[in-house]
Amino acid sequence: GAGVSQSPSNKVTEKGKDVELRCDPISGHTALYWYRQSLGQGLEFLIYFQGNSAPDKSGLPSDRFSAERTGGSVSTLTIQRTQQEDSAVYLCASSLTSGDRETQYFGPGTRLLVL
Amino acid sequence: GESVGLHLPTLSVQEGDNSIINCAYSNSASDYFIWYKQESGKGPQFIIDIRSNMDKRQGQRVTVLLNKTVKHLSLQIAATQPGDSAVYFCAESGATNKLIFGTGTLLAVQP
Repeated sequence: GAGVSQSPSNKVTEKGKDVELRCDPISGHTALYWYRQSLGQGLEFLIYFQGNSAPDKSGLPSDRFSAERTGGSVSTLTIQRTQQEDSAVYLCASSLTSGDRETQYFGPGTRLLVL
Repeated sequence: GESVGLHLPTLSVQEGDNSIINCAYSNSASDYFIWYKQESGKGPQFIIDIRSNMDKRQGQRVTVLLNKTVKHLSLQIAATQPGDSAVYFCAESGATNKLIFGTGTLLAVQP
């Protein structure tokens, strides 16, 4: 079946603008995760959803970052007033449930460049 | 704080040789470990996982070893192929389901 998809694949924006990144999880997966990968670095957890609720937002770097999930499926990560340090690859993953030891499957990512 | 680190940032091997990628973790409460492969321009791809009640698990051409005494994880790739060239990440999780990733090891397979 289809894997996790993300759009856009690449986004170039100017400092101060808002951006929205979209994630479509694997059909039937109830848990959805956002991570950020800066150049040459590992992945940094941002937020996860179980259904439409976000029990853990601890990784969001500032109040400029927010995310929502509707219908237990698609999620949108919004970055307001983007800064150059926001440039990174934003990766989305989904798992069947949010139980521990559930395999997380990743999408291809959105490469964000803030000029 | 919690951390997962890799000993070797770059590993170069000859095609056909076996590869060993190492990872150290610091959180003794972690009980689930995963290896991901990330090719250029793509998202991480699940390779193999292991739970803390095991010390070895085998997949197709890959083996993961877990040594809880020294908090060490390794990924062994048999008969390494050019298609194995990628960055490999280890990740851990414990009481929560968020993954903590290391910075990655670049595996370069020489033909």
